[in-house]
Amino acid sequence: GNSVTQMEGPVTLSEEAFLTINCTYTATGYPSLFWYVQYPGEGLQLLLKATKADDKGSNKGFEATYRKETTSFHLEKGSVQVSDSAVYFCALRNNQGGKLIFGQGTELSVKP
Amino acid sequence: KAGVTQTPRYLIKTRGQQVTLSCSPISGHRSVSWYQQTPGQGLQFLFEYFSETQRNKGNFPGRFSGRQFSNSRSEMNVSTLELGDSALYLCASSLAQGDYNEQFFGPGTRLTVL
Repeated sequence: GNSVTQMEGPVTLSEEAFLTINCTYTATGYPSLFWYVQYPGEGLQLLLKATKADDKGSNKGFEATYRKETTSFHLEKGSVQVSDSAVYFCALRNNQGGKLIFGQGTELSVKP
Repeated sequence: KAGVTQTPRYLIKTRGQQVTLSCSPISGHRSVSWYQQTPGQGLQFLFEYFSETQRNKGNFPGRFSGRQFSNSRSEMNVSTLELGDSALYLCASSLAQGDYNEQFFGPGTRLTVL
């Protein structure tokens, strides 16, 4: 079945450091891929998405590229800020629509 | 435009009781999905409703049920509560079903079962 695996946290970085959060997936067909972010006490916010192979999603300095050959969708940011501290979820949605399948989440803590 | 609202935000119940959670989608959105978030199992899909019909269901026991009203508002019900039902329940709405429709999430209802 479909599944998402992402690197375990917590990830602790200093401000302005480079961020990579790894995400790999298993899916039939050609799913759409998403990164969601959850700030403390809040629901999920869509950070970025990619709907087909080689698409690059980007938002607020975060980027991720849909790599079908490696079934990956790694999240990157060149220079993190304290305000980026949150839990990040990688997710997929198959091309019939419907449910999102999430990874376990990666907690990011950015220190000043 | 107002976002997805969920009520109540916090709830404490005891084992054996039942609970009803409410979700009001963004105006104009017709699809509502529910997810359960726990530290152990992460985010798991419960069900999806579109046009008052359940379109998709996750792997949860029959104690978990839901419905959608003609104004697209949705409720989910959990009967005979168990300790393991303690979780954050998230509701998400989208314009319609389908892969390209972004799901917008509410803040969640945190249910504690004692």
